[in-house]
Amino acid sequence: QVTLKESGPGMLQPSKTLSLTCSFSGFSLSTSGMVVSWIRQPSGKSLEWLAAIDWDGDKYYNPSLKSRLTVSKDTSNTQVFLKITSVDIADTATYYCARSPYGGYYFDYWGQGVMVTVSS
Amino acid sequence: EIVLTQSPTTTAASPGEKVTITCLASSSVSNMYWYQQKSGASPKLLIYSTSSLASGVPDRFSGSGSGTSYSLTINTMEAEDAATYYCQQWSSNPLTFGSGTKLEIK
Repeated sequence: QVTLKESGPGMLQPSKTLSLTCSFSGFSLSTSGMVVSWIRQPSGKSLEWLAAIDWDGDKYYNPSLKSRLTVSKDTSNTQVFLKITSVDIADTATYYCARSPYGGYYFDYWGQGVMVTVSS
Repeated sequence: EIVLTQSPTTTAASPGEKVTITCLASSSVSNMYWYQQKSGASPKLLIYSTSSLASGVPDRFSGSGSGTSYSLTINTMEAEDAATYYCQQWSSNPLTFGSGTKLEIK
């Protein structure tokens, strides 16, 4: 059974660095073809893909945010991390991690999401 | 960046009615993917590779299209289909989503 779960600080101040963790089970990111992405959704708005990391450690970023994003994974291949530097109010959103299956350019499993509020 | 424009933005359908949601891409894409998101929940995959039904998805849902024009069809609307629907492409980086179509039950 594939599950993903995001965790984060809940609230942080503008200009700080947001650190998010995606913990997953039911698959390993060391399996060829697997990809885990981060996607966010401001309340009442659409979805925005942020970054992805694949089984080989290759990283992919949304060019609009690339300078502020760092995606990484742990050595056990059961967690993926995302750091967003210099956050501001516009980064307030629900952040999801999601899995792309082998050869798939889509998301077959999603986490429940974690709400992050940027406020002074 | 490929922009995906969905229409309509909002619509309502009666039980049993057929519903079609359109997704237009600003450049040609090789495939389209569709998700359903109910209030307070994570998106759920409905259609992958333009027309393949995801596991467990009722067969009243179908997808079609090519190039820059794609559509999601619900053959017979049910109350549980009330949700927001998103299209998605990853033919080129960055991966992008449509702006969403909110479907309500009449």
